[in-house]
Amino acid sequence: ETGVTQSPTHLIKTRGQQVTLRCSSQSGHNTVSWYQQALGQGPQFIFQYYREEENGRGNFPPRFSGLQFPNYSSELNVNALELDDSALYLCASRATHGTQETQYFGPGTRLLVL
Amino acid sequence: AQSVTQPDIHITVSEGASLELRCNYSYGATPYLFWYVQSPGQGLQLLLKYFSGDTLVQGIKGFEAEFKRSQSSFNLRKPSVHWSDAAEYFCAVSFNDYKLSFGAGTTVTVRA
Repeated sequence: ETGVTQSPTHLIKTRGQQVTLRCSSQSGHNTVSWYQQALGQGPQFIFQYYREEENGRGNFPPRFSGLQFPNYSSELNVNALELDDSALYLCASRATHGTQETQYFGPGTRLLVL
Repeated sequence: AQSVTQPDIHITVSEGASLELRCNYSYGATPYLFWYVQSPGQGLQLLLKYFSGDTLVQGIKGFEAEFKRSQSSFNLRKPSVHWSDAAEYFCAVSFNDYKLSFGAGTTVTVRA
């Protein structure tokens, strides 16, 4: 077990709706990253938060946003859902900001957009 | 273009046989290299990583990987596969930044 949990496990939304996915990191992990994994593909980096501020973003539009809280939890928000947003969303946390620190992944939230 | 390539989409191996999964990267510099495993309903678990030093890296669950700079490869191996090794395996790279860039993955099926 990685000590990283995500909720909900599954979610169904319709196009145009908004969704919030949640992640709870290990205590002391001040860096959290979010990834999108479409079916049959590897995970794609969405963004990273460090000490409650976004400090890196992949090739995702602004309708993907996030929050990180002092209690080591975080959220991924997606507005104006599109069919292509259907995917497994993974969060990963680590204790420090450095690249060499191991990232611990949660089990993911599977989002289906109809 | 910068990329991580896993040439084999699906590999079937008999239990007790050896396994090798291929990974090639295309970047200007040598990245940090990782192998992750993903079982159904599970998150990604780190098997091993290479940053520098000895090019043969030992990981968990009996896996090892060898970094070959001349071939831009980081292949994963296991001498004797167990049924519990059936999963999807991802090669990933990172630089001195924050993100992992993953290959498309290789699905491993283990037959009795």
